[in-house]
Amino acid sequence: DAGVIQSPRHEVTEMGQEVTLRCKLISGHNSLFWYRQTMMRGLELLIYFNNNVPIDDSGMPEDRFSAKMPNASFSTLKIQPSEPRDSAVYFCASKKGGGIPGELFFGEGSRLTVL
Amino acid sequence: QQQVKQSPQSLIVQKGGISIINCAYENTAFDYFPWYQQFPGKGPALLIAIRPDVSEKKEGRFTISFNKSAKQFSLHIMDSQPGDSATYFCAASVAGKSTFGDGTTLTVKP
Repeated sequence: DAGVIQSPRHEVTEMGQEVTLRCKLISGHNSLFWYRQTMMRGLELLIYFNNNVPIDDSGMPEDRFSAKMPNASFSTLKIQPSEPRDSAVYFCASKKGGGIPGELFFGEGSRLTVL
Repeated sequence: QQQVKQSPQSLIVQKGGISIINCAYENTAFDYFPWYQQFPGKGPALLIAIRPDVSEKKEGRFTISFNKSAKQFSLHIMDSQPGDSATYFCAASVAGKSTFGDGTTLTVKP
């Protein structure tokens, strides 16, 4: 079975450019999480969807960040305009069962560098 | 506000030794406590998890000890191996949403 698939794996861009990160969930999973990982702040939850509906976006740093889930299997995280402090590894993770405790399945991450 | 505190930040253990990583939480509503293992260039992967009505869970060389009254839980890796060298994250979950500790980088020396 295919795991969570993220693209691109690496992105280098210049400050001010738009960045779009993509995530494909595991089939049958109905919850989607976007995390950001940095040395300084560890793994931070940015936003969480359940059944395509955003449940908690309190971790989204500012209005430059937006996330969508246009269908049950796909999500995007967009940063516009990007800034050097956005440089991080962005992970998406999916889970079965909505609010029920359970395993998060992570993708391999998208490493973003903003120059 | 950091809801899950993890220590130590890094740990070096000899092959065959016991690795111990500790976590503490504040929110008594947490209902699921997983540990994740992350290798360089990869996403975290679930290692073992426990619910708060159980005081200990063992899977092979990995054991979680859980102290509900102290709001603490720990991961013990017995007979640590060089292949266990990775970053370990504890997490605490409520309503399906997980908050992670800052991670512990474990190095097991041959």
